Amino acid sequence: EDQVTQSPEALRLQEGESSSLNCSYTVSGLRGLFWYRQDPGKGPEFLFTLYSAGEEKEKERLKATLTKKESFLHITAPKPEDSATYLCAVQAFRTDKLIFGTGTRLQVFP
Amino acid sequence: NAGVTQTPKFRVLKTGQSMTLLCAQDMNHEYMYWYRQDPGMGLRLIHYSVGEGTTAKGEVPDGYNVSRLKKQNFLLGLESAAPSQTSVYFCASSVGITLGEQYFGPGTRLTVT
Repeated sequence: EDQVTQSPEALRLQEGESSSLNCSYTVSGLRGLFWYRQDPGKGPEFLFTLYSAGEEKEKERLKATLTKKESFLHITAPKPEDSATYLCAVQAFRTDKLIFGTGTRLQVFP
Repeated sequence: NAGVTQTPKFRVLKTGQSMTLLCAQDMNHEYMYWYRQDPGMGLRLIHYSVGEGTTAKGEVPDGYNVSRLKKQNFLLGLESAAPSQTSVYFCASSVGITLGEQYFGPGTRLTVT
């Protein structure tokens, strides 16, 4: 069964304190791994797609990496506006559907 | 360009009542989806559509029906609401080729008492 586990559930950082969020996955034939950002009371917003182990994507202070078992979302020198819940999802080749993790709630304090 | 819109934003139903949630997208996307999001459960797919006139079951389809009569609209119906259907409902759409890049609406918060 395809499965996605995100850790930690919640993370509190001081502004400028870099850290990483983890997404561990089990899927038979990975088509893609996706990161989304969700602000309170809003729908998820697409961030990155990763297709194969070793791939990296960057956007501003965020960098996503992928191995055969997990993905990391690295946040460098975060700012309070980076506070949000970050969701990870996987898609297998055999299905059209995304399997989402439960997310990591990030809070960045000034 | 509004993207994906959902109506209503909030709704309170009594057990046994019915309602329809409307999703509209103006990006000419082929694929559309309905999810529910519950605390500690993550987003779960209810139904989806790969094109006008088509629908398919997702992970948690029981108690819901859908219709895609027009490409830009995707309706989610609850025929007889139950307290277990209290949730936040999100609609999403995608081009189709890269299915993971889904564009989400703002959500509908539904409470069934």
